[in-house]
Amino acid sequence: DAKTTQPTSMDCAEGRAANLPCNHSTISGNEYVYWYRQIHSQGPQYIIHGLKNNETNEMASLIITEDRKSSTLILPHATLRDTAVYYCMVQISNFGNEKLTFGTGTRLTIIP
Amino acid sequence: GAVVSQHPSWVICKSGTSVKIECRSLDFQATTMFWYRQFPKQSLMLMATSNEGSKATYEQGVEKDKFLINHASLTLSTLTVTSAHPEDSSFYICSAPRPDISDEQYFGPGTRLTVT
Repeated sequence: DAKTTQPTSMDCAEGRAANLPCNHSTISGNEYVYWYRQIHSQGPQYIIHGLKNNETNEMASLIITEDRKSSTLILPHATLRDTAVYYCMVQISNFGNEKLTFGTGTRLTIIP
Repeated sequence: GAVVSQHPSWVICKSGTSVKIECRSLDFQATTMFWYRQFPKQSLMLMATSNEGSKATYEQGVEKDKFLINHASLTLSTLTVTSAHPEDSSFYICSAPRPDISDEQYFGPGTRLTVT
């Protein structure tokens, strides 16, 4: 699996958009970008994933650059409950059957 | 609501004893489940892949005789920490894919083990 790099921590004001970057410069053509988050002392939660097109769901938007070497997770209107560690991962999608390799993630703190 | 449960949510045991942690998929069958371990302020580390009806696949460096995994049914996988020591104190988390629904994995709420 390709390695990802993320900033260690970020702050965002409540109500503003939170933009979390991720670099995955060695991503292969058949690897997807996945985002999960982990709120303190809980199990991780799936957010979104994509291959090359931008994706949006009820939680977030995922913007993938044309060369697929980086992506940005956007939480459009951050709330205090979005404070968590956000993990960006790449893997070959196998309908969820592939093991996930978690990096260090970005600790996002939403400021009131 | 939760689709993967774990029991217990926390447990304290004495050094040298064994403790079993259960991971259940709710309302769906999981032929594969994953077990992770997370130490304080660190990321999740995959320990093993649990396969229903066959032996688990352990990651490098994980002692299979110490961390016994049994996936006896399509909705239940268990992790038994044998002869626990204080260094085994950690947050243990399981996950299960649900390929009929999506590409995501569903994680349990975790079990906090403290070995005294």
